[in-house]
Amino acid sequence: DAKTTQPPSMDCAEGRAANLPCNHSTISGNEYVYWYRQIHSQGPQYIIHGLKNNETNEMASLIITEDRKSSTLILPHATLRDTAVYYCIVRVQGAQKLVFGQGTRLTINP
Amino acid sequence: DVKVTQSSRYLVKRTGEKVFLECVQDMDHENMFWYRQDPGLGLRLIYFSYDVKMKEKGDIPEGYSVSREKKERFSLILESASTNQTSMYLCASSFPDRQYTEAFFGQGTRLTVV
Repeated sequence: DAKTTQPPSMDCAEGRAANLPCNHSTISGNEYVYWYRQIHSQGPQYIIHGLKNNETNEMASLIITEDRKSSTLILPHATLRDTAVYYCIVRVQGAQKLVFGQGTRLTINP
Repeated sequence: DVKVTQSSRYLVKRTGEKVFLECVQDMDHENMFWYRQDPGLGLRLIYFSYDVKMKEKGDIPEGYSVSREKKERFSLILESASTNQTSMYLCASSFPDRQYTEAFFGQGTRLTVV
């Protein structure tokens, strides 16, 4: 699986959009981009995934660059409950396991 | 509501003890996973299982074994607990990958070995 690079920490004001970047410059054509988050004292939670098109669900939007070497997770109106560690993972379709990196610790400030 | 349940939130064991961490899922998932999480090291995969009685080593299997006798239950075994196995242990489950696979995680077991 391709490695990912994320900033170790970010801050965002409550009510603003939180944009979390992820670099995956060695991603190959059959690898998907997944995002999970882990709120303190809980297990990780799936957020969203994509291959090459932008994706949106009730939690977030995922923007993948045309060359697929980077992506951005967008939380459109961040709340205090969005404070968590966010993990960007690339994973081959058909691979059974997820490999987690260090993630970005996002703090939402009131 | 989907559920992955780990038998204990907190556990304290003595060095040398045999320790069993149990995980049960109610989603009929084929895949189950055990991770450990340590500060600065993130989540690391210990073992995973893609079917009953099947298992594969993850990135850090040393000192651990697993058992999957029934589809819904995946046990992590520390044959002889050591202090460097003090950690948060997370169980997860998922369907086999088709187009995508969302993994569901339990709440974690914080194990302290003294």
